[in-house]
Formats: sequence, C-alpha cells, structure tokens
Amino acid sequence: GAVVSQHPSWVICKSGTSVKIECRSLDFQATTMFWYRQFPKQSLMLMATSNEGSKATYEQGVEKDKFLINHASLTLSTLTVTSAHPEDSSFYICSARGQGLQDTQYFGPGTRLTVL
Amino acid sequence: KNEVEQSPQNLTAQEGEFITINCSYSVGISALHWLQQHPGGGIVSLFMLSSGKKKHGRLIATINIQEKHSSLHITASHPRDSAVYICAVPLGGADGLTFGKGTHLIIQP
Repeated sequence: GAVVSQHPSWVICKSGTSVKIECRSLDFQATTMFWYRQFPKQSLMLMATSNEGSKATYEQGVEKDKFLINHASLTLSTLTVTSAHPEDSSFYICSARGQGLQDTQYFGPGTRLTVL
Repeated sequence: KNEVEQSPQNLTAQEGEFITINCSYSVGISALHWLQQHPGGGIVSLFMLSSGKKKHGRLIATINIQEKHSSLHITASHPRDSAVYICAVPLGGADGLTFGKGTHLIIQP
C-alpha cells in the first residue's frame, strides 16, 4: 500500500523557537495533503488542507501565520510551527491523497511535539 | 452535538469474541473511513467505503447511507486487535476528515 512518512517522529523544543515537520508520500503523488493534530485524550482535528502549488486552506481557529504550510511538490508538504508555545504541544499527523477525490487518505506515523 | 458519534467509547472483550463498533454521522457524505490508532499514535487506514460492505481479513465494515450509520466488526478477536478504532467522515474542505472520539478496544487473552 501507499506509504507516507513524517519527520521527525518526535521533537522537544524551547518556547519561542520554530519547528518544521515534513510529510512525504513515498510511492505516489499526493495532490492533496492534510494536517491534523491530536491533543491528549482528544479526537484528531483537521488543521489545514494543502494542495500542491497553492496556498493552504486553514480550518477555523487555526492561525495561518503560526502554522505555516508549504506544499511545494507532489510528494512533500511541510508544517512549520512558528514561535512555539507549550500549548502547541500535541501530536501532529499528516495524510496524503492521490489525484482522485475518492482515493483513500494515507496517514503518516505522526510527530509528537513537546514545547518546554 | 458532535457531527460524528461513536459507540461504545470503551470496550473490553475476551479473545475470540465478535466485536461491533458503531458510528453515526449527521450530514450526507461521499465516503466514510475506519481507522485504527495504536498506543504510539500511528494511524492505519482500515476501510474507506461509500456503500454496502467491505471485508479485509477478520475485519468487516458496513455502511447505510440512508440511515447515516456505519459499523465495524471484528471476527475472532485477538489481543493484537487492541487499539483505538476511529470513524471519520469528509466534512472539511477538499474532504478533510472529521473524526469520532474513537472506541478504545481491549481484547483480553
């Protein structure tokens, strides 16, 4: 099946620093990538949708200037958490979908971010 | 009211039992996803279905579009099936998923 990787798998950073998370589709071209986050004991929540070559669409309540998303190629999307704060500590997961809207989403393994 | 409701929230069963997890949603959708999340957080997509029934190994997923309801069944359950099972529907932009709260399943040997 299709494989999506994320890097890093976990990261600890100091408050105020920026952290970049990469999401790659390894064996297919992902025209659409989704970024989700999951706080402890809560559901996954959609943060934003990115299409290759265009600006990301953010869900209500997600600050686009804080969570910068770049989808520069059909196999790579990046999420940068700028000026991270402890409340940004969460599990961030990406998923990738091929060209068909009926295609399933393939999930990355997730990145656990801890901001001290 | 949550847009995606799952039941039960927690389920403990003995090895070999037949397991059913239910999902209801509130609006029309194009497809529904069943996902499995293990303690480390990684998510595996089990099924995406828009009608009828799908089977993969010991897992069976059904959906009734008119009733806005889906079920995930596990036959001959095994301790390695212990995980959180999540129902998700594409309500977000470009079919971004909205998730249920998950069903925490424990299969005891």
